[in-house]
Amino acid sequence: AQRVTQPEKLLSVFKGAPVELKCNYSYSGSPELFWYVQYSRQRLQLLLRHISRESIKGFTADLNKGETSFHLKKPFAQEEDSAMYYCALISSNTGKLIFGQGTTLQVKP
Amino acid sequence: SAVISQKPSRDICQRGTSLTIQCQVDSQVTMMFWYRQQPGQSLTLIATANQGSEATYESGFVIDKFPISRPNLTFSTLTVSNMSPEDSSIYLCSVERGTEAYEQYFGPGTRLTVT
Repeated sequence: AQRVTQPEKLLSVFKGAPVELKCNYSYSGSPELFWYVQYSRQRLQLLLRHISRESIKGFTADLNKGETSFHLKKPFAQEEDSAMYYCALISSNTGKLIFGQGTTLQVKP
Repeated sequence: SAVISQKPSRDICQRGTSLTIQCQVDSQVTMMFWYRQQPGQSLTLIATANQGSEATYESGFVIDKFPISRPNLTFSTLTVSNMSPEDSSIYLCSVERGTEAYEQYFGPGTRLTVT
C-alpha cells in the first residue's frame, strides 16, 4: 500500500537550533513527494517538492530511496517556522495526493 | 497561484440535517478536490469533482452522503447529508493548478461541528 508516515506529532525546538521533520513513505517505483505547511490561521500551502530540488524559506528535503525517507530540514529554526507540516506523495494508482498525519513544529524563543 | 474561497467558514449543525459547502476559484480549473480533516488526523480525500461529469469518490465515501456539484470550471459544492457528530471536521477544497503536475492550492476550509 502507498503510505506516508510522519512519526512525530509534535517537534519542539529552540530558535536557532536545527530542525528535522521526519517523513517516511511506502511506495513502489519513483515517488513524487511534497511538503505542505499550514501556518496559524492560514490555509494549507505547498512548501516544496522534491523534483525541483529547491530551498524554500531555508528548508530543504532530500529524497533517500534507500531509506524511503523525505525528511524536511532547516539548519537554524526561526519562530515564524512554527506551523503544521504535512508530507505527501502522489499515488501512482490514482494520481491523487496522499498525506501523512502531520507534525506540529513549535519553535521557542 | 489560485485564489480559493469557501463558504461558510464554519458552522454548527444539528444531527440529521445537511450542510452545503461552497468553493469558488478565481479562475477556471479542470480538477477540484474535496478533503476532510478530522480532529487530530490527516487530510483524507473525499472525491474529485470534474466539470461536466459525475464526481469520483474515494473508498469509504459515497455520493448519497457527500453529494457534489460542479456546474462550471470555477465553482463546486459539497453537501454533508444527514449529519452525525462523526462528521465534525474541517472540509477543504483544493484545485490542481500550476506549472507542474499535482501542485494543489487549498481553500481556507470549513469547520463543521455537529451536535
